[in-house]
Amino acid sequence: DAGVTQSPTHLIKTRGQQVTLRCSPKSGHDTVSWYQQALGQGPQFIFQYYEEEERQRGNFPDRFSGHQYPNYSSELNVNALLLGDSALYLCASSLGPNAEATIYFGEGSWLTVV
Amino acid sequence: AQSVAQPEDQVNVAEGNPLTVKCTYSVSGNPYLFWYVQYPNRGLQFLLKYITGDNLVKGSYGFEAEFNKSQTSFHLKKPSALVSDSALYFCAVRDAGGSTLGRLYFGRGTQLTVWP
Repeated sequence: DAGVTQSPTHLIKTRGQQVTLRCSPKSGHDTVSWYQQALGQGPQFIFQYYEEEERQRGNFPDRFSGHQYPNYSSELNVNALLLGDSALYLCASSLGPNAEATIYFGEGSWLTVV
Repeated sequence: AQSVAQPEDQVNVAEGNPLTVKCTYSVSGNPYLFWYVQYPNRGLQFLLKYITGDNLVKGSYGFEAEFNKSQTSFHLKKPSALVSDSALYFCAVRDAGGSTLGRLYFGRGTQLTVWP
């Protein structure tokens, strides 16, 4: 049973560029969330997708956008990259958006902005 | 507003001794509580969760956690620590109702070191 898979694992971008991160949820899961984990911090919620719609959004600017496909996979896009966007980006999936559902995380994508 | 506090940045214990990693929370409604573990340069692994019922929750790798509503705490425990338990531990809370039910709120994490 495949867990949450993310790609790429590491990438380096230049300030002002755009980046796309990809995620495949755990088998059978239909809800995907994205989190940003800065060095030395706990993960911060970016947004959640369910039924191909953004259902919840954290305190992140519009430069952060996402998409969910009919097969439940998801993308996180960040435009106009800033140095402060350097972080570990975690994708998480669950069966349904309900509060009691267990959320499983992928290994993350390390983004470095130079 | 929802929040989680992990008052200790670091916890050090000897192998074989019991360990406790502390967590307190604040939510508007009823809390759903979770513990995750993160090994170096890895993602988060789910350990256990409290939704309802028995206040003592058992999880993976011999860990357990005790929910205390009056103290708004959800401390992680293990009777006998292993060197391999050394990792970064995160407590997280979800509000059972309201507009933010989709998201987890995390603490800053507690680095657990178990020495031989």
